[in-house]
Amino acid sequence: QQPVQSPQAVILREGEDAVINCSSSKALYSVHWYRQKHGEAPVFLMILLKGGEQKGHDKISASFNEKKQQSSLYLTASQLSYSGTYFCGTYSGGSNYKLTFGKGTLLTVNP
Amino acid sequence: NAGVTQTPKFQVLKTGQSMTLQCAQDMNHEYMSWYRQDPGMGLRLIHYSVGAGITDQGEVPNGYNVSRSTTEDFPLRLLSAAPSQTSVYFCASSKQWGSYEQYFGPGTRLTVT
Repeated sequence: QQPVQSPQAVILREGEDAVINCSSSKALYSVHWYRQKHGEAPVFLMILLKGGEQKGHDKISASFNEKKQQSSLYLTASQLSYSGTYFCGTYSGGSNYKLTFGKGTLLTVNP
Repeated sequence: NAGVTQTPKFQVLKTGQSMTLQCAQDMNHEYMSWYRQDPGMGLRLIHYSVGAGITDQGEVPNGYNVSRSTTEDFPLRLLSAAPSQTSVYFCASSKQWGSYEQYFGPGTRLTVT
């Protein structure tokens, strides 16, 4: 079952902030975040493991709330290069080895 | 390292034809998977493998077969192509499942007429 991402799309001006949310109906072992530019393959951003951690990657960071089965990706002071589609992927763990992705959030950063 | 390679980049098939999409990785990764990407649907898992000789179904396995005889290769077979299988196909690999990043291949754009 695919995790649910919101919003589906967001338009920003350079320098603005955005939050992308990812929620699952299942208990999660890990949450992955990827970014895909048009016509290219998805590229890894970060992984969060259960334990409620928060990670950072330049001006892009993420949090994982294990109890709520939710993760959020934070993009601060957005740059034109942040434009693309962001996907969260989730593993439920146990004997479930499937990495299941959401439908994506299209982020457009304008000058 | 070449990373994850996929061939062909583009393919046009007629309904009913069969073909194999090739995927190879040179990173000695145990975990490999196939996804299809359709507009508005995200990445949907077709099949995956946790090691040589071990494969399992993903969310949308119907019409596709896989095998994993070596660590490096994970081909995807379309048994009898249908227009509904028109899509972009991505192969991915990671060291293991769960807590390791996935490396994606460049994709194969398949059109079935």
